[in-house]
Amino acid sequence: AQKITQTQPGMFVQEKEAVTLDCTYDTSDQSYGLFWYKQPSSGEMIFLIYQGSYDEQNATEGRYSLNFQKARKSANLVISASQLGDSAMYFCAMRDPGAQKLVFGQGTRLTINP
Amino acid sequence: DTGVSQDPRHKITKRGQNVTFRCDPISEHNRLYWYRQTLGQGPEFLTYFQNEAQLEKSRLLSDRFSAERPKGSFSTLEIQRTEQGDSAMYLCASSLGRGSYTFGSGTRLTVV
Repeated sequence: AQKITQTQPGMFVQEKEAVTLDCTYDTSDQSYGLFWYKQPSSGEMIFLIYQGSYDEQNATEGRYSLNFQKARKSANLVISASQLGDSAMYFCAMRDPGAQKLVFGQGTRLTINP
Repeated sequence: DTGVSQDPRHKITKRGQNVTFRCDPISEHNRLYWYRQTLGQGPEFLTYFQNEAQLEKSRLLSDRFSAERPKGSFSTLEIQRTEQGDSAMYLCASSLGRGSYTFGSGTRLTVV
């Protein structure tokens, strides 16, 4: 069974600093997809970035990048130059090739301090 | 296109009552998903539709839960005889094929 582990319940970072949110995963599949979502207090899950298991390059989307280390089964999210609006819950999720559902981790609450 | 819409945003109900939630996906998306999120946890998969067909249901979806997507457009999730353990955020998402998922803002259910 797939499993996502996020070991940081909360992170506090100064504005404009970079932050890394950890995510490790467990799967026996060779082909899978990894996602990061942001959930502000409004409740909506906002898609940030996607990494396919066969992608050779680490994914990047603006200030977001994914540090994908396949051998270590980790997919950490890096946010550069953090902003106050980045304060939210962040979830790592996985989808395997045979399934439609996403499996989520428990999330990390990120707080950006001015 | 205004994204995925969920109604109501909040629902408070007494234990034992029935409740129904609605989800309107992005119009061209053929796949629709329901997730449940309890406080401090990540979302958990409940069920999935491709067009009007319900193709997968989680074991979390007890007999008191039923979901429909009658014309392959909007979907409803009904909970019968609500229990306090049903209190959670119910999230709907849609996708076109196996593309990225777009989530709604959720319906927060409180059972008192």
